[in-house]
Amino acid sequence: QVQLQESGPGLVKPSQTLSLTCTVSGGSISSGDYYWSWIRQPPGKGLEWIGYIYYSGSTYYNPSLKSRVTISVDTSKNQFSLKLSSVTAADTAVYYCARDVTAAGSFDYWGQGTLVTVSS
Amino acid sequence: QSALTQPASVSGSPGQSITISCTGTSSDVGGYNYVSWYQQHPGKAPKLMIYDVSNRPSGVSNRFSGSKSGNTASLTISGLQAEDEADYYCSSYTSSSTPYVVFGGGTKLTVL
Repeated sequence: QVQLQESGPGLVKPSQTLSLTCTVSGGSISSGDYYWSWIRQPPGKGLEWIGYIYYSGSTYYNPSLKSRVTISVDTSKNQFSLKLSSVTAADTAVYYCARDVTAAGSFDYWGQGTLVTVSS
Repeated sequence: QSALTQPASVSGSPGQSITISCTGTSSDVGGYNYVSWYQQHPGKAPKLMIYDVSNRPSGVSNRFSGSKSGNTASLTISGLQAEDEADYYCSSYTSSSTPYVVFGGGTKLTVL
């Protein structure tokens, strides 16, 4: 059974960089069968796709966030990470990592989500 | 503003059928057979219910079905049950400028 777990600070100051890591267990990121995504959900609002990465390091980002987002992968640790720079209160959200079966938005496994609050 | 348009809420009685629509454009819903639907209960992560317009993952009840016509996709839930009460989101692949994924704004399903 594949499991994903997000980790990282729950509080980030405005203008700083948000950093989160997703650890995958029960399956290998290096298998090459999936894309690994970050998705966020502001409190009380809908879902927003941030981007995804393939085990080779190829990335695709949401155009609205592209200038501030970096997603990387560490296959030796079976982890992938998110960095979002220059954060503001609008970036306050529950951040999920998820596995995409088709690279087209079919997210079959999700982490439990982690709330990141941007506040001074 | 979400890229895909969903009704804010729908409701139905136990045993009835309901349909949730998801309207996009020819650059997303209408252009590809890559529409997915997610169910989200309060405080929980979303759960994949339908992928590639009409395919059900293993373990998802056959009461859930998906379809598409033109730029609008639909999720139908038949034999409504109390546990179906949740938020539902659609998503679609799009490549209007660069390949990425867009979500609908979500629909709150109330079982009366």
